[in-house]
Amino acid sequence: DIVLTQSPVLAVSLGQRATISCRASQSVSISSINLMHWYQQKPGQQPKLLIYRASNLASGIPARFSGSGSGTDFTLTIDPVQADDIAAYYCQQSRESPDTFGAGTKLELK
Amino acid sequence: QVQLQQSGAELAKPGSSVKISCKASGYTFTSYYISWIKQTTGQGLEYIGYINTGSGGTNYNEKFKGKATLTVDKSSSTAFMQLSSLTPDDSAVYYCARSGFSGWFAYWGQGTLVTVSS
Repeated sequence: DIVLTQSPVLAVSLGQRATISCRASQSVSISSINLMHWYQQKPGQQPKLLIYRASNLASGIPARFSGSGSGTDFTLTIDPVQADDIAAYYCQQSRESPDTFGAGTKLELK
Repeated sequence: QVQLQQSGAELAKPGSSVKISCKASGYTFTSYYISWIKQTTGQGLEYIGYINTGSGGTNYNEKFKGKATLTVDKSSSTAFMQLSSLTPDDSAVYYCARSGFSGWFAYWGQGTLVTVSS
């Protein structure tokens, strides 16, 4: 299975930029299609899709969220961070079955 | 609007089975797959598998073969997941999610908590 590695915690100040990384144990790209997706999850809620195929903003998601990367290295950026963004963030790959998720990065306030 | 409404929390005894439902609304049910995902504090998010809601065809994560059985009732736009031979390790929140061929999960159910305890 493809292993996705995320840092467990990221501490940021409100109004600053947050950069959350996800590294895959092998490429999750097919030609120019990057099969990496990002979710936000708040306590007691289901995950919410933020970014699909590495850089495409999901419907209704604010433009302060963006995604980038290819191959094995991907980044979710939140700029500027708002109080409502304090949550856990997960990456997910659909390049190879079974789909796998990263362990999540908890975004905390500094 | 798209909604996935899951059945309520389950308390089950070791060795028994539970069947969770996921009722879809707000879109053409057979146009998308339904996937199932397990979430625990220790193991995080784990992909169980999906069901093709049109054909009933299934694809399982090897880890969950023999544990989970996915079915669908097109007449009620409802997907089901049965978990069998339950052990405490099956205690988790289980989510259904709408998925397409490209593999991201745009919509999620609210989750069903399954607790396995004697």
